[in-house]
Amino acid sequence: QVQLQESGPGLVKPSETLSLTCTVSGGSISSSYWSWIRQPPGKGLEWIGYIYYSGSTNYNPSLKSRLTISIDTSKNQLSLKLTSVTAADTAVYYCGRAAGINYYDSGNYYRADYFDYWGQGTLVTVSS
Amino acid sequence: AIQMTQSPSSLSASVGDRVTIICRASQGIRSDLGWYQQKPGKAPKLLIYAVSTLQSGVPSRFSGSGSGTDFTLTISSLQPEDFATYYCLQDYDYPWTFGQGTRVEIK
Repeated sequence: QVQLQESGPGLVKPSETLSLTCTVSGGSISSSYWSWIRQPPGKGLEWIGYIYYSGSTNYNPSLKSRLTISIDTSKNQLSLKLTSVTAADTAVYYCGRAAGINYYDSGNYYRADYFDYWGQGTLVTVSS
Repeated sequence: AIQMTQSPSSLSASVGDRVTIICRASQGIRSDLGWYQQKPGKAPKLLIYAVSTLQSGVPSRFSGSGSGTDFTLTISSLQPEDFATYYCLQDYDYPWTFGQGTRVEIK
């Protein structure tokens, strides 16, 4: 059973850098895509970005200029760094595993991805 | 970015009711759509992926359908543990985007 656990400071000052780590247990990080997702208090979900175990990444353009997602396969961890934070970055931050399935449609094969494992989430508040 | 619009934003229903939630994409997304259930203070839970494939362990009263731009999540007989917020998610194109959520409340 794969388990994910987010960790990091619960309070960050405006203009500083938000840093979180997600530790994966019960399975290898070297086999899937891994994502960060966030949810401001009382609001909906926002996909932040993903990283493949090889290190390739894809970021949400709304955060790309401030965002770095990295992976340490030796520790089975992924990390998130978000610079120059403001109150708008206050949210519960989740890490999740993105599994995929191939399907056939109109003569071609495609991949559908989905988050089958999630961490419990960690609340990060941006405030002075 | 592809916009995902859910309707209704909230609904009230009774135990045993049939409930349908709609998710509409701003462009065609093939079968790259999943549904998640979230209860207060908890992480979202995967219910359905690739439009209609039920995640292991999810009760069969949940089903998904649709294609192109219009998708539905149906709960055939609402149970007490189903009162929650439901989100759709498209993974057809980056950035992946969620619907705004549908809150299912007790009538």
